[in-house]
Amino acid sequence: AIRMTQSPYSVSASTGDRVTITCRASQGISSDLAWYQQKPGKAPKLLIYGASTLQSGVPSRFSGSRSGTDFALTISGLQSEDFATYYCQQYYSYPFTFGPGTKVDI
Amino acid sequence: EVQLVESGGGLVQPERSLRLSCTASGLSLGDYTMTWVRQAPGKGLEWVGFIRSKVIGETTEYAASVEGRFTISRDDSKNIVYLQMNSLKTEDTAVYYCARHLPGATRTYFDFWGQGTLVTVSS
Repeated sequence: AIRMTQSPYSVSASTGDRVTITCRASQGISSDLAWYQQKPGKAPKLLIYGASTLQSGVPSRFSGSRSGTDFALTISGLQSEDFATYYCQQYYSYPFTFGPGTKVDI
Repeated sequence: EVQLVESGGGLVQPERSLRLSCTASGLSLGDYTMTWVRQAPGKGLEWVGFIRSKVIGETTEYAASVEGRFTISRDDSKNIVYLQMNSLKTEDTAVYYCARHLPGATRTYFDFWGQGTLVTVSS
């Protein structure tokens, strides 16, 4: 199975900050990577797919990038509603696997 | 409005069985491969398995942790996908989500999720 790692485990930030979360795949997954946002007690919400394509309706302050097997999610200008846990997920091969998550809090 | 609603969760003893349902409204479930993802309390997301749409074979894939114990099936006439869970273990305790893939495809992200149903396995 492809192992996904994320860093940092958690990040404390303030409104207006720029936050970058990284995700690394244990082997090549092309750009078959998605990012999800999850708030407590809620289902995950798709933010980005194809490593860098913004899902419809997601604010443009979210962006994604890829460099080889390293991926990044950047939030430019953190808003109060962005405090949540973020997961990366590869859909290149079965079993689909998620990263352990990164919690963004105040 | 598109909705996926999971049901059937609850408290169950180890080694017993439970069947979860994922009922769709506002979409024709038959067009989609459907996945189950779970989340143990305070933990991350774990993919459980999926069932392909009928047009691409209605076959299934599972995570190693549930292979042989869990079975996913579908009834497109009722717009429902099921997760049959047998020989449950305490480590199966989690919120179970159903989610849809892009229409007609399998190796895709999950663009829409249900709200989840909690399964607690305990004696």
